[in-house]
Amino acid sequence: GESVGLHLPTLSVQEGDNSIINCAYSNSASDYFIWYKQESGKGPQFIIDIRSNMDKRQGQRVTVLLNKTVKHLSLQIAATQPGDSAVYFCAERVITGRRALTFGSGTRLQVQP
Amino acid sequence: GAGVSQTPSNKVTEKGKYVELRCDPISGHTALYWYRQSLGQGPEFLIYFQGTGAADDSGLPNDRFFAVRPEGSVSTLKIQRTERGDSAVYLCASSPFVPRTLNSGTYEQYFGPGTRLTVT
Repeated sequence: GESVGLHLPTLSVQEGDNSIINCAYSNSASDYFIWYKQESGKGPQFIIDIRSNMDKRQGQRVTVLLNKTVKHLSLQIAATQPGDSAVYFCAERVITGRRALTFGSGTRLQVQP
Repeated sequence: GAGVSQTPSNKVTEKGKYVELRCDPISGHTALYWYRQSLGQGPEFLIYFQGTGAADDSGLPNDRFFAVRPEGSVSTLKIQRTERGDSAVYLCASSPFVPRTLNSGTYEQYFGPGTRLTVT
């Protein structure tokens, strides 16, 4: 079947290395951000979220960094595994505004064994 | 527990035909969203329901698109007079109601697997 992300920027890493995926968001009023992982043929899967009153949040093997000054978000994946291969999207919203999420264009992560 | 389900998983239709796409949200989730995802792009918002009513339909591209959620659970996205440009993956998401306070709660939306619509 079709693959999500055929025309997306691609980050290729070796298994066991750390990965950093970047996202520039558009709305300076956005105060809530989510990273989603999407495997081919599946819907987006939540990874981690962060609010604008934080600049860093850690989960299991993942860390999200937020730089509001330059409207930049990054997702760091430690000890990348083949199962991490997917397309990664950042999404933003204004908590007191529309409930819809605005998604970025995505990055495809390829993990080489 | 069960996640968001969508049917059919694939739909092929001819240009000009009418289609219905169904979404079953997570039980108890009051909020339901429809997004459309074209190849190589992130999901784009179509419509949001809180309960039975469409609280925000600003993402619907034109009046050929309509969605309902009559009992506040299952939702159907309806597309009339389909066009080839409607071909995409249609994603449904649901979430529990969360008050709009900055310092607590998550605003995660739980996505279904999508329906791939192909208009020939």
